[in-house]
Amino acid sequence: DAKTTQPPSMDCAEGRAANLPCNHSTISGNEYVYWYRQIHSQGPQYIIHGLKNNETNEMASLIITEDRKSSTLILPHATLRDTAVYYCIVKDSGAGSYQLTFGKGTKLSVIP
Amino acid sequence: EAGVAQSPRYKIIEKRQSVAFWCNPISGHATLYWYQQILGQGPKLLIQFQNNGVVDDSQLPKDRFSAERLKGVDSTLKIQPAKLEDSAVYLCASTSIWGREVYNEQFFGPGTRLTVL
Repeated sequence: DAKTTQPPSMDCAEGRAANLPCNHSTISGNEYVYWYRQIHSQGPQYIIHGLKNNETNEMASLIITEDRKSSTLILPHATLRDTAVYYCIVKDSGAGSYQLTFGKGTKLSVIP
Repeated sequence: EAGVAQSPRYKIIEKRQSVAFWCNPISGHATLYWYQQILGQGPKLLIQFQNNGVVDDSQLPKDRFSAERLKGVDSTLKIQPAKLEDSAVYLCASTSIWGREVYNEQFFGPGTRLTVL
């Protein structure tokens, strides 16, 4: 079973920030939060990951609450090409733990 | 850098027929995964290889599904005989790191969409 809870769908206006929430209340100390996205007819694509500090890369920012029970993926200026299903995944990064367990994710629709 | 290649992209078969999918991972990637993605759901891991050895096949329906990675590079996934509920997208992914505590970005191919009639 997936260890995360995400809303099934969200809309965002083009050019605005998209904030995608994820609850992971049972996360343990050595588990990371990963985000992947899947554009229609493509395989999933890695976006970002974090442990407890906020992270930013060229694609997105990841904000993790202090108690680590929830996080938010932020796409600062959403474009139509960001329309996709976004998966929040909690995973141990220890040696040998290289499997991803996907839930149903959040379908983000960016509206012109 | 070339991505993960999969073929065919689409396949339509009748139930009880057999089908095979092929995957070529990114060069140098030791770990290879096969996932099944049913419409409306997230991908589900079927089998994980490390080089040419199976690491985890606990979710592979072994009565009808088989997979191999004989030379530690390309892999094939076979279904024989197919059932209606096998209609799904079959995704292959690869990653380069094994045995180290690092993040392991998985690189996915475009998938093969299987329709069983």
